[in-house]
Order: sequence, then structure tokens, then C-alpha cells
Amino acid sequence: DTGVSQDPRHKITKRGQNVTFRCDPISEHNRLYWYRQTLGQGPEFLTYFQNEAQLEKSRLLSDRFSAERPKGSFSTLEIQRTEQGDSAMYLCASSLGGTDAFEKLFFGSGTQLSVL
Amino acid sequence: KQEVTQIPAALSVPEGENLVLNCSFTDSAIYNLQWFRQDPGKGLTSLLLIQSSQREQTSGRLNASLDKSSGRSTLYIAASQPGDSATYLCAVCPLGGATNKLIFGTGTLLAVQP
Repeated sequence: DTGVSQDPRHKITKRGQNVTFRCDPISEHNRLYWYRQTLGQGPEFLTYFQNEAQLEKSRLLSDRFSAERPKGSFSTLEIQRTEQGDSAMYLCASSLGGTDAFEKLFFGSGTQLSVL
Repeated sequence: KQEVTQIPAALSVPEGENLVLNCSFTDSAIYNLQWFRQDPGKGLTSLLLIQSSQREQTSGRLNASLDKSSGRSTLYIAASQPGDSATYLCAVCPLGGATNKLIFGTGTLLAVQP
């Protein structure tokens, strides 16, 4: 097991283009999270999946953002019509899940998005 | 609205020194508080998780305490080493929200000088 993988590591795009990021969680983890981090700030929660179900979305996730986890394994995060304000590090994390709220999160190395 | 604040924003210490990082939060209704480490351009590594019913957790040279009533946590690092240089982030998981829907502070950037 190599941990949480994110692809690509870096993405440079022009304003108005669509981008898609991929996250592969730790294989036995059924919970998957997306966070966004801008320079000098802590990460902010975007959305959360339990298996293939998207259970919560932040108000930060505008209509231009969509996330999927079609088979309960990998997840994709798509941003349509990118804006310069979308420039950030997009972090994926996974956890084992269960009824206990006390879980350890494992983060990937993130995808750094730059919108020109 | 829950807010998490970390002081100081940056800290530079000589190798071998013991140090304390501070975290405060405005709403005591939390499941847990977690401390993470982040190296430049990388993701986060979980260091310690303190449940709301606990007072402290220890792992090696790290000790984290939680005083929920006063909305404070500290991360104590003993005998600091240059390899401890990183940003340390504190995060709380509010009650009533999704598991691991964490609210983070802005972090403390630690530099340990050899």
C-alpha cells in the first residue's frame, strides 16, 4: 500500500478551461475527502464521500465544481470554466470509516492548480 | 462559527530546544482535535488526535494537550531536531458535522536551526 495518490501533481491552465484531478485513496478506506488550501492558509473542507455516495458538500463548492467516486474507489474533482481564484492546492484524504467519529486521516501530496 | 487560531505564526529555535505551539478554538462543541505536520509543497501527516473526552496524547517526542472548556490545545516538542522543521497545523472536528469535516488553523511555521 503506497498511501493516497493524487494526479497530476501540478496543473497550469488558462482561465475558462476545464480541469480534472484524480485521487486514489488507500485501498481499504471507504471514506474520501477533498480539501482546498491556498497559500498561507489551512486546508478548507470541500466535500466527502462514503463509498460512492457524496454525503456532504461545502458552500465553497460552487456549481462549477463537481466530484465523483463512481465505484467507491478512486475519485475525480472537476472544475469547469476555471477562474484565477481557483488557484490553490487541492488535497485528497481518506480514512477507514466506521461508526466511530475518531478517525485518522491520510492525505495525499495534493494537486497544485495555477490558473493564468 | 468555529474559528481556529494558532500562535505564533512562525518560530525559529536552535536544535535541542523544547518548544510549545499553541492552538485556540472558539466553540468547545468538538469531537476531537488533531495536530498535523505539513512539509513544503506536500500533503499533511497526522501527528496526534485527541478525543474530546481526553486531556492529552503522546507520541515519541510529541505531546499534545486539550483543554476543551477554555478552547485551547498545545503541542509540545521535546529536544527539537532540524528534521522537525515544517508547518504544524491544528484542526478541530465540530460536533454535528461530517466525520473529519475539519476546521484548520493557519499553522505555525517551525524552523529548527542546526
